[in-house]
Amino acid sequence: NAGVTQTPKFQVLKTGQSMTLQCAQDMNHNSMYWYRQDPGMGLRLIYYSASEGTTDKGEVPNGYNVSRLNKREFSLRLESAAPSQTSVYFCASLDATYGYTFGSGTRLTVV
Amino acid sequence: AQSVTQLDSQVPVFEEAPVELRCNYSSSVSVYLFWYVQYPNQGLQLLLKYLSGSTLVKGINGFEAEFNKSQTSFHLRKPSVHISDTAEYFCAVSVYKLSFGAGTTVTVRA
Repeated sequence: NAGVTQTPKFQVLKTGQSMTLQCAQDMNHNSMYWYRQDPGMGLRLIYYSASEGTTDKGEVPNGYNVSRLNKREFSLRLESAAPSQTSVYFCASLDATYGYTFGSGTRLTVV
Repeated sequence: AQSVTQLDSQVPVFEEAPVELRCNYSSSVSVYLFWYVQYPNQGLQLLLKYLSGSTLVKGINGFEAEFNKSQTSFHLRKPSVHISDTAEYFCAVSVYKLSFGAGTTVTVRA
């Protein structure tokens, strides 16, 4: 099925560990985004990539890095996880006509 | 800069009653506006969007929204809700990237 695929769906990390969240889209979209969702705060933009080879910071980039590996894939890396990064992470891609398509999310807990 | 304010954090409503979720936005340029729904433990699903044209936008599941440029609002309405409409609803505005409101939790009671 066409869409945005995120892996893993669930993850528990210890403080200080690192991990990479993977995102892939098969809709040939140029723009891709990483958001985090926290209760009462809606979704906040972490990083985005307007096109292959470019990345830019969003509202809450501290503690994260991203890689736009190719047009399909946009990964989010936590180099040294902190409890404040416990959240649900969503990847999205953008089609100019149809709008944004979101993945099903990654629920991350940092203990 | 753009921002979105959802005026109600929680809206309890009885089944078959109407519901309105209020959303105001601010932007110095023209925007695109969206409403998304998130059912428990699921991702976001697009309800409707305003890109241009008619200010009354109809979406899925009987929802509609009206774009009011003078009041910078994009309120969401449904004339008769069902139990299955219990979810969190997010208003969002897009210029170069999508910014979300804090969300409104709708709880439909029998």
